[in-house]
Amino acid sequence: DAGVIQSPRHEVTEMGQEVTLRCKPISGHNSLFWYRQTMMRGLELLIYFNNNVPIDDSGMPEDRFSAKMPNASFSTLKIQPSEPRDSAVYFCASNTAASGNTIYFGEGSWLTVV
Amino acid sequence: AQSVTQPDIHITVSEGASLELRCNYSYGATPYLFWYVQSPGQGLQLLLKYFSGDTLVQGIKGFEAEFKRSQSSFNLRKPSVHWSDAAEYFCAVGGGTDKLIFGTGTRLQVFP
Repeated sequence: DAGVIQSPRHEVTEMGQEVTLRCKPISGHNSLFWYRQTMMRGLELLIYFNNNVPIDDSGMPEDRFSAKMPNASFSTLKIQPSEPRDSAVYFCASNTAASGNTIYFGEGSWLTVV
Repeated sequence: AQSVTQPDIHITVSEGASLELRCNYSYGATPYLFWYVQSPGQGLQLLLKYFSGDTLVQGIKGFEAEFKRSQSSFNLRKPSVHWSDAAEYFCAVGGGTDKLIFGTGTRLQVFP
């Protein structure tokens, strides 16, 4: 079975540019999570959706960040405008009660803002 | 407040030695507990999980963990470490399809 699929895997962009990260959760999973990983702050939950509805976005750092889940098989995390401090690995993950509540992670999107 | 503490930032062991990585949690309800491993440049892979039942759970790659409610701990163990176990290990706590709270991770280095 395909796991959580993220794109792009790597992105280098200039400060001020818009960045869009994409995620396809595992088919049948109804919860989707966006995490950010940095050396300084470790793994932080940014936002999570249940049945395409945002449940908790308290981890979204500021208004420059936004996330959408227009349907059960696709989500985006957008940063506009991007800043160097946004450089991090962004992980998407998904789960469902039927999977034993185990959260499965994608391989991550490695973002560098210069 | 929900939290996970991994008190050891970095651990170094010799290949073949036993390993124990510590994890303490704070959670208001019955916790779901997880251990994930992350190799450099990779995503997180689930090693094992505890939801209920037997407090000693077996995972992949020869790892096991024991849930001790009285100590709010979920320590990860392996009787004999292999060089390929060198990675970062994360403990996490959650409640079902709710979000996972991660610890800060323990980096394991294995000497031959």
